[in-house]
Amino acid sequence: GIQVEQSPPDLILQEGANSTLRCNFSDSVNNLQWFHQNPWGQLINLFYIPSGTKQNGRLSATTVATERYSLLYISSSQTTDSGVYFCAVDILTGGGNKLTFGTGTQLKVEL
Amino acid sequence: EAQVTQNPRYLITVTGKKLTVTCSQNMNHEYMSWYRQDPGLGLRQIYYSMNVEVTDKGDVPEGYKVSRKEKRNFPLILESPSPNQTSLYFCASRHTAGGFTGELFFGEGSRLTVL
Repeated sequence: GIQVEQSPPDLILQEGANSTLRCNFSDSVNNLQWFHQNPWGQLINLFYIPSGTKQNGRLSATTVATERYSLLYISSSQTTDSGVYFCAVDILTGGGNKLTFGTGTQLKVEL
Repeated sequence: EAQVTQNPRYLITVTGKKLTVTCSQNMNHEYMSWYRQDPGLGLRQIYYSMNVEVTDKGDVPEGYKVSRKEKRNFPLILESPSPNQTSLYFCASRHTAGGFTGELFFGEGSRLTVL
């Protein structure tokens, strides 16, 4: 099956720093999403981005489907950005689209 | 407000005592799914449903049952829970129709402990 790898696995930032999280996938995909799991366990949608670039406040994402990767940029990080960031990709199977999650990047933003 | 609602949010039970985790969505989504999340194993799909009366096994279906009698509801049933089903469970839904697949929305999670 498709492999979805995220890097780095762990990241510690000082508040105000910028960072880039990467998601690599091993096959062609129909869709890609980024999620943030906060320290309380809630999974929050960040971006639905099968291709191109989107921005939402301090966060932006770029997916280059032809090269099989997506990047999540966090600028001017805040302590509330802490948590785990997942990417998830959709591939078409006989049973419809199947979503596969990446391994996650654990981010800690310190004061 | 568009949302996926799970209940209970927290539950401690004992081995063998049947339990049901309910899931309801108010977005008229065709697709619903259950995941479990365990440390070091990430999110794994238990069951999913493409529409009413259509359900299918995910990656880890053993020990679970589901039903989809109504479009908005997708309960997860543990007929005889065991300690290895202690986990954080998520219900999710999304729009899928006419070849289009929308973004996935998650419920807030249900933390289950089986003693």
